[in-house]
Amino acid sequence: KAGVTQTPRYLIKTRGQQVTLSCSPISGHRSVSWYQQTPGQGLQFLFEYFSETQRNKGNFPGRFSGRQFSNSRSEMNVSTLELGDSALYLCASSLETISYNEQFFGPGTRLTVL
Amino acid sequence: KNQVEQSPQSLIILEGKNCTLQCNYTVSPFSNLRWYKQDTGRGPVSLTIMTFSENTKSNGRYTATLDADTKQSSLHITASQLSDSASYICVVSAGSGGYQKVTFGIGTKLQVIP
Repeated sequence: KAGVTQTPRYLIKTRGQQVTLSCSPISGHRSVSWYQQTPGQGLQFLFEYFSETQRNKGNFPGRFSGRQFSNSRSEMNVSTLELGDSALYLCASSLETISYNEQFFGPGTRLTVL
Repeated sequence: KNQVEQSPQSLIILEGKNCTLQCNYTVSPFSNLRWYKQDTGRGPVSLTIMTFSENTKSNGRYTATLDADTKQSSLHITASQLSDSASYICVVSAGSGGYQKVTFGIGTKLQVIP
């Protein structure tokens, strides 16, 4: 079974631009969660999508948004990029919601904002 | 405020030795606690998941314990190997049903040296 894939793996943007990251979950998984990882803050939960609906949301500004398609693939969008948005963005999928299911992480997208 | 604190921040041990990593949390209502291993440049990989009623869980040389009364967990690594060098992240979920708040610890960076 193929693992979680994320595209692109690396991205360089400038302040004020917007970016869209993509995540393809493991086949059959219906939940996709997004995380931001920075050296100082560790992993922080952005949001979870389950069956095309946002089920959980972390404490991030509205510039961070996402969606999930009927095939469970998910996209995350960040608008009006700031320098502080530079981070590794990780996507994880699980069979059902994250309440008590093992999550499988993708390799991440490294975003650099100049 | 939900918090997860891990100690130590970093640790260096000799190959073959045992070590124990700590995780203290102030999360309510507690749902489950997970330990992840994250190799440099890769996404985290789940080691164990424990609910309120479970006080120990093993995965090969990794054994996690949970004391829900004191809100503490530990991850014990037996007979360490060079491949154990990684960051170990404690994650606690709070909430009930399908709505969970996920809080990550900063992680403990473990280096195993020959």
